[in-house]
This record gives sequence, C-alpha cells and structure tokens, in this order.
Amino acid sequence: EPEVTQTPSHQVTQMGQEVILRCVPISNHLYFYWYRQILGQKVEFLVSFYNNEISEKSEIFDDQFSVERPDGSNFTLKIRSTKLEDSAMYFCASSGDSRSRGNEQFFGPGTRLTVL
Amino acid sequence: GQSLEQPSEVTAVEGAIVQINCTYQTSGFYGLSWYQQHDGGAPTFLSYNALDGLEETGRFSSFLSRSDSYGYLLLQELQMKDSASYFCAAVYGGATNKLIFGTGTLLAVQP
Repeated sequence: EPEVTQTPSHQVTQMGQEVILRCVPISNHLYFYWYRQILGQKVEFLVSFYNNEISEKSEIFDDQFSVERPDGSNFTLKIRSTKLEDSAMYFCASSGDSRSRGNEQFFGPGTRLTVL
Repeated sequence: GQSLEQPSEVTAVEGAIVQINCTYQTSGFYGLSWYQQHDGGAPTFLSYNALDGLEETGRFSSFLSRSDSYGYLLLQELQMKDSASYFCAAVYGGATNKLIFGTGTLLAVQP
C-alpha cells in the first residue's frame, strides 16, 4: 500500500542552523502539506502546496520557513535559522482528489526536530 | 479565530462505548473529520461528516451538527488497541484543503 515517507526520523541541530526536512508523498497525489506537533499538543497546520505553489500558509509559517518540490517525488520543508521553539514533530501529508473522503490526508511518520 | 475544543482525556473499559466530543468556533469549512494517533505517530483518517447527521464506519461513528457547532466520535466495542489520541479536524476546501485540528483527546482503554 502506498505511503508517505519522511527523512530523517530525528534531526538534532543547534539554534541558528538551517535544516531541511524531506518527504516523499504518495505518487499520484496532488496536494501536499506540512504540519507540526509540539510534544503533547495538537497538530498545527503550517502550509499547503498545490500546482507547484503555496496555496495557503499559517501564521506559524513565517519568513524562516520555505517549501519546495524540486522534482516529481520529493517535497521539502526548510527552516532557515532554527529557534528553540521550532522543536517539534513535523509531519508531511498528501492527498488526492479533494472531493474523496473529506480530503483524507495521508500522513508520514514524522521528523522529530530538536533544536539545542 | 478558529478553534476546536475536545476533552483532554477519556477513560473507558474494554467492550464499552465511548463518545468523544468536539465543539468548534470556526467557519467556512466543508466538513469535520476525525483522526487517530498512536503514541505520537502518524495521524490516520477515521471518519468524515460533510452533512449534519451520523456517519457509520464499522465500530466507529461520527456525528455533526452545524447548528450546534458540535460533533462527536463514537467508538463501540472498545478494544485495548483503541487506546490512542483522537483529533477532530475542520476540513477546508479550495486550493488549500488544509485541516485545522482540535485540541485532541487521549483515550485510555482499561481491561
């Protein structure tokens, strides 16, 4: 069964460093997302991506964040200069036809980002 | 703003029925979905309500009342493996298709 994959599973970085989180969405999906979850809290929407451009971004997704789909398979999230408060689990998700099953989104296993 | 509130924790025994509520203050969404998350892993889709009323999917049912800004997830014949966090999520359409998640409910199923 197709699944969303993410690498790395855990990333440790120093404050101020750049990190790139990588995702391979399900191959025939059209919509791509990044969410984050601070430990013990709810899942928060960061950004949605469709037709090779950002369709919406949340208040969290400031100028330090960027997304890219460099080829036909990968979808990346870059944090330019990490802050302590960026420590969280980052989930990539993808979905196909938006009318099917309430836009069921398929989530990857996540990347745990720890900023020291 | 957009907010979906859920009880933080619910405890029930194996074989019982449990209802997890979701009250919301958000608008312009297409429907309400429910996701399950085990131990901080990937959320997985459970159910979706586009219209008011009850949707049944096996042991899980979900309900939506837009007039009351309220929904719930009903889990029947609880099993130990149902111990997890459950999130309601407002589903938005258009080019965004974003999900706005509720605060989450940790369900503990006891023998």
